[in-house]
Amino acid sequence: DSGVTQTPKHLITATGQRVTLRCSPRSGDLSVYWYQQSLDQGLQFLIQYYNGEERAKGNILERFSAQQFPDLHSELNLSSLELGDSALYFCASSVVGLSYNEQFFGPGTRLTVL
Amino acid sequence: AQKVTQAQTEISVVEKEDVTLDCVYETRDTTYYLFWYKQPPSGELVFLIRRNSFDEQNEISGRYSWNFQKSTSSFNFTITASQVVDSAVYFCALSEASYNAGNNRKLIWGLGTSLAVNP
Repeated sequence: DSGVTQTPKHLITATGQRVTLRCSPRSGDLSVYWYQQSLDQGLQFLIQYYNGEERAKGNILERFSAQQFPDLHSELNLSSLELGDSALYFCASSVVGLSYNEQFFGPGTRLTVL
Repeated sequence: AQKVTQAQTEISVVEKEDVTLDCVYETRDTTYYLFWYKQPPSGELVFLIRRNSFDEQNEISGRYSWNFQKSTSSFNFTITASQVVDSAVYFCALSEASYNAGNNRKLIWGLGTSLAVNP
């Protein structure tokens, strides 16, 4: 158990809908990262938050948005869903520090868009 | 641009065989980190090892060993005496180094190697 929690574990929805994925980082971790794992593109970085502020964006679609709340949990919002958005979405967190700290991954949310 | 290549898509071995998973990376950074993660059939990502670019010492952890060679930009992973429980997808990843807390240290991933260890 990495200490990172993600809910829900599975999500099945229809095209055009909007969903919210939730992530709670490990206690004390200020950085949260979101990744998407799809069959055709593999694992891709989406976005990073640090202590409530967006720090970096990767291959995140405009239909997707995220935020990190004062209690440090993060939500990834996916709207106008398309079939191609079906994927495993991972959240990771890392501790604050000047040296590198591993990213610990949650169990993922498997999104299926029908 | 940073890139990680895992040329082996699938490998199948018989239990107790040794197997090496290849990883080749590209980066312009002089300081960077390399990682291996394991993704078993249950789907979670399990951290295996981190290596920074200044440390080319090989590392051994039980049946696992890693060979980092900057000259060939490779970071290969060997499992000795493989077991059925080693069956998983293994990912190699790369990250830039940053010494400012909170800076982006996103992981750049290879496409993974699916390892099947058969009894």
